[in-house]
Amino acid sequence: DSGVTQTPKHLITATGQRVTLRCSPRSGDLSVYWYQQSLDQGLQFLIQYYNGEERAKGNILERFSAQQFPDLHSELNLSSLELGDSALYFCASSARQGINEKLFFGSGTQLSVL
Amino acid sequence: GQNIDQPTEMTATEGAIVQINCTYQTSGFNGLFWYQQHAGEAPTFLSYNVLDGLEEKGRFSSFLSRSKGYSYLLLKELQMKDSASYLCAVKSQTGANNLFFGTGTRLTVIP
Repeated sequence: DSGVTQTPKHLITATGQRVTLRCSPRSGDLSVYWYQQSLDQGLQFLIQYYNGEERAKGNILERFSAQQFPDLHSELNLSSLELGDSALYFCASSARQGINEKLFFGSGTQLSVL
Repeated sequence: GQNIDQPTEMTATEGAIVQINCTYQTSGFNGLFWYQQHAGEAPTFLSYNVLDGLEEKGRFSSFLSRSKGYSYLLLKELQMKDSASYLCAVKSQTGANNLFFGTGTRLTVIP
């Protein structure tokens, strides 16, 4: 158990809908990262937050947004969902932003868009 | 940008040694990580290299050559439970602390 909690584990929805994925980082970790993993692609970095502020953006679509709250949990909002958004979404956390800080991953949310 | 290449699949025999290679091109370099991921599960940290050379951790070792943009993960005394995907990830100097992952190498260990 990495200590990173993601909910829900599975989500099935329809095209055009909006969903929210939730992540609680390990106790004491300030950084939260979101990744998307599709069947034929590796882990794609979406966005990072550090202590409530956005720090880095990757290949995140405009239909997607995220935030980190004062209690450090984070939410990833996916709207106007398309079939291609079906993927495993991982949240990861790290304590600080040191060079050798390793990421601890949650067990992921499997999103299926039908 | 970043470009990370790994073989897609490998097969090896229980008890044997396997080497999984990773080549990378990145704008700035702050270290290379290897993660293990069993199907449908979270990636888990295996190793970190930032200086050239070999880092050994039990049955797993990881090597880095920064001048060649090359790393490998060496798994010894393979066990059936080592069947998993092995992800090579590079930490770039651009962007704060986020890792860029390769597509992973799916290793199948056969009896």
